[in-house]
Amino acid sequence: GENVEQHPSTLSVQEGDSAVIKCTYSDSASNYFPWYKQELGKRPQLIIDIRSNVGEKKDQRIAVTLNKTAKHFSLHITETQPEDSAVYFCAASSPGGSEKLVFGKGTKLTVNP
Amino acid sequence: EAGVTQSPTHLIKTRGQQATLRCSPISGHTSVYWYQQALGLGLQFLLWYDEGEERNRGNFPPRFSGRQFPNYSSELNVNALELEDSALYLCASSRSGRLYNEQFFGPGTRLTVL
Repeated sequence: GENVEQHPSTLSVQEGDSAVIKCTYSDSASNYFPWYKQELGKRPQLIIDIRSNVGEKKDQRIAVTLNKTAKHFSLHITETQPEDSAVYFCAASSPGGSEKLVFGKGTKLTVNP
Repeated sequence: EAGVTQSPTHLIKTRGQQATLRCSPISGHTSVYWYQQALGLGLQFLLWYDEGEERNRGNFPPRFSGRQFPNYSSELNVNALELEDSALYLCASSRSGRLYNEQFFGPGTRLTVL
């Protein structure tokens, strides 16, 4: 079945620096890749997503890139702020239209003021 | 609009017992997804219900089951509880069973098995 690897598991940056989180997936048929942010004690929330027909998508300080050939996608956060501190999860759709998301194990991002 | 709600917030059971967790989706959403979030393991897909039917299930034993009611609310049942079932159980809803419709998560039910 589909497998999603996420790295790093923890990431600490200084306020204002950029943060990059990378994920790889196993099945080339996956076609949808959302990213969720989970603040401490809160529910996961979608922050950005990308479909396989697009190579890059931006939303203010957040961007996601997708390399279908290499089967990896990345989350880029620029000008990080303390409120960006959270656990970030990537996910990939399962193949064959079976309509489920397979999540990575998460990256705990800490932005130091 | 009101968000996804789950009950109870916390649930403490002993090994071998049964647990029932409930989820109410956002009004207008017909799909409900269940996930298990154990420490360090991310979100593991459990079940997906759409229009009252089970559409898919993850790699969990049959003692994890559920159903979706006509009002699209859902119930997750876990039978013969084991210690490793202790986790946060998250429910999510979306407008339909198309993956690229955003999944909105509930606050979760913290299940502790003693």
